[in-house]
Amino acid sequence: DTAVSQTPKYLVTQMGNDKSIKCEQNLGHDTMYWYKQDSKKFLKIMFSYNNKELIINETVPNRFSPKSPDKAHLNLHINSLELGDSAVYFCASSGRVAGELFFGEGSRLTVL
Amino acid sequence: ILNVEQSPQSLHVQEGDSTNFTCSFPSSNFYALHWYRWETAKSPEALFVMTLNGDEKKKGRISATLNTKEGYSYLYIKGSQPEDSATYLCAPSYAGGTSYGKLTFGQGTILTVHP
Repeated sequence: DTAVSQTPKYLVTQMGNDKSIKCEQNLGHDTMYWYKQDSKKFLKIMFSYNNKELIINETVPNRFSPKSPDKAHLNLHINSLELGDSAVYFCASSGRVAGELFFGEGSRLTVL
Repeated sequence: ILNVEQSPQSLHVQEGDSTNFTCSFPSSNFYALHWYRWETAKSPEALFVMTLNGDEKKKGRISATLNTKEGYSYLYIKGSQPEDSATYLCAPSYAGGTSYGKLTFGQGTILTVHP
């Protein structure tokens, strides 16, 4: 039973489209995150939610909008996709040990 | 922008060799240092979290040390096995405000252990 699951795993789309990536965790954690693996392979934080409340919002274009309907879900919606948005996006959650992240398997987004 | 550096970027060793690599990070407002292991086609998994200067953690053949004053951590693998092949990431976190719980990942050291 997957602890942090993301869908879809692969997404190929055209520039200008709007797409969403969904994330669910069954660990009972209060905090969830979106990370982006950039072209240099660094994992960079985009957003963090604690119990449905936004607590970290890095300098991310406002085309990216996270939504947390409940503390087990954190979805990422991206409007007007650009070529530079192509990357692998990782969802993660953490519990009582701050910084001990449990990652999903990643969603590879390719914008053509 | 925090500068977290890991060296070497990649490492090839023979099965049975012991190896170590380094993570350096800014020491100001330091809170904790995390090591993660990331196998190909899988997701990163937490190995260790260390907070105190001089901390040493061990899990099987893998151990890590922490120097918070000078801002570095070492990861050691004793008697490397092919299944140790992975990317090892370090990530410090810092105290205060929205920095709490926010990890800044290094680029990782890619370890390949040859049978």
